[in-house]
Amino acid sequence: DAGVIQSPRHEVTEMGQEVTLRCKPISGHDYLFWYRQTMMRGLELLIYFNNNVPIDDSGMPEDRFSAKMPNASFSTLKIQPSEPRDSAVYFCASSFTRGEQFFGPGTRLTVL
Amino acid sequence: GQQLNQSPQSMFIQEGEDVSMNCTSSSIFNTWLWYKQDPGEGPVLLIALYKAGELTSNGRLTAQFGITRKDSFLNISASIPSDVGIYFCAGQLYAGNMLTFGGGTRLMVKP
Repeated sequence: DAGVIQSPRHEVTEMGQEVTLRCKPISGHDYLFWYRQTMMRGLELLIYFNNNVPIDDSGMPEDRFSAKMPNASFSTLKIQPSEPRDSAVYFCASSFTRGEQFFGPGTRLTVL
Repeated sequence: GQQLNQSPQSMFIQEGEDVSMNCTSSSIFNTWLWYKQDPGEGPVLLIALYKAGELTSNGRLTAQFGITRKDSFLNISASIPSDVGIYFCAGQLYAGNMLTFGGGTRLMVKP
């Protein structure tokens, strides 16, 4: 199994630009999670989906952040417009109900 | 919301020493998980605990689910250089629910 796949691994962009992060969960998993990791705040849950439906998006910091899961094998996290304080590592994780979440390698985002 | 306090924040030990770290919560969890994160990678699950009082081992790692369901600890015996990384505890209320993470313990091992 390839594990959770995220792209890109690194993204450098300028303030105000739109950023799209992508995730392919492990095949057969029915939960997908987006986390953000910073030195100051640690690992924070942004949003999670069950069977492609958003369940809890209370961690999404602002309306500039949006996430979609059009099908069971793909999800995106979009930031528009991006700001320097959005710089962080963004992780996608998936699980099969029981709750053992498997994380992707992360996308390191730098907003200049 | 729920808070997980993980300690110590960092440890610098000699190779061969045993390591202990713990997490405490202000409220109960029904599942405790321990992850390790290597530089530039995502967290990797080490041990999962599903029952209060449960003691589980995975090689040199041993973790316990506290009786009160508000705490957990992780021990690493006879540390080796590849144990270096950041260890996170995580609590979960029920299967499929979000994870709440501790702040992490950064482990450094001196050969």
